[in-house]
Amino acid sequence: AQSVTQLGSHVSVSEGALVLLRCNYSSSVPPYLFWYVQYPNQGLQLLLKYTTGATLVKGINGFEAEFKKSETSFHLTKPSAHMSDAAEYFCAVSDIAGTYKYIFGTGTRLKVLA
Amino acid sequence: DVKVTQSSRYLVKRTGEKVFLECVQDMDHENMFWYRQDPGLGLRLIYFSYDVKMKEKGDIPEGYSVSREKKERFSLILESASTNQTSMYLCASGEASQETQYFGPGTRLLVL
Repeated sequence: AQSVTQLGSHVSVSEGALVLLRCNYSSSVPPYLFWYVQYPNQGLQLLLKYTTGATLVKGINGFEAEFKKSETSFHLTKPSAHMSDAAEYFCAVSDIAGTYKYIFGTGTRLKVLA
Repeated sequence: DVKVTQSSRYLVKRTGEKVFLECVQDMDHENMFWYRQDPGLGLRLIYFSYDVKMKEKGDIPEGYSVSREKKERFSLILESASTNQTSMYLCASGEASQETQYFGPGTRLLVL
């Protein structure tokens, strides 16, 4: 069965600093990979996704992620954190055919310090 | 824009009550999903449906049932609510041929 590991349930960065949120998956077949963001008291919003093609994926709000098959990783980065980036971030994988059910990581809460 | 709406943002129920959570999507999506979200556990799939009247169990279906009588509507039913079902419930929808899921705002359920 697939699983997703997000290292660090809480991450704090200073405003303007690099954001790095880690995600590793376990799958013998490269799955589809996603990052979602959840702002307080809201549902999940898609940040970016990898399906096929270019391994560096750009998303909304200046975020990007790189699919590294050899490391089974899909880490999320942003060069310069903004106060509005404070939220919870979820990495997810899905199967590549059929029902596209997701397996989610446990989430990383990002705090941005002024 | 895809819109997924959930019938309530906050709900308080008593132990033993029957609880209905409703989800409606306006994009004619075939797939619909119910998740529960708990701190430290992320989102876990309760049930999903890939067509009207079709359903499949997710990872944690115990204590829940679902109904999909119309394509746009997917209901989650707690037959007899218990305190351990206090949680945030999120609905999502997606096209059969697409991998992206679109989420509603969530219902925060408190069972006393």
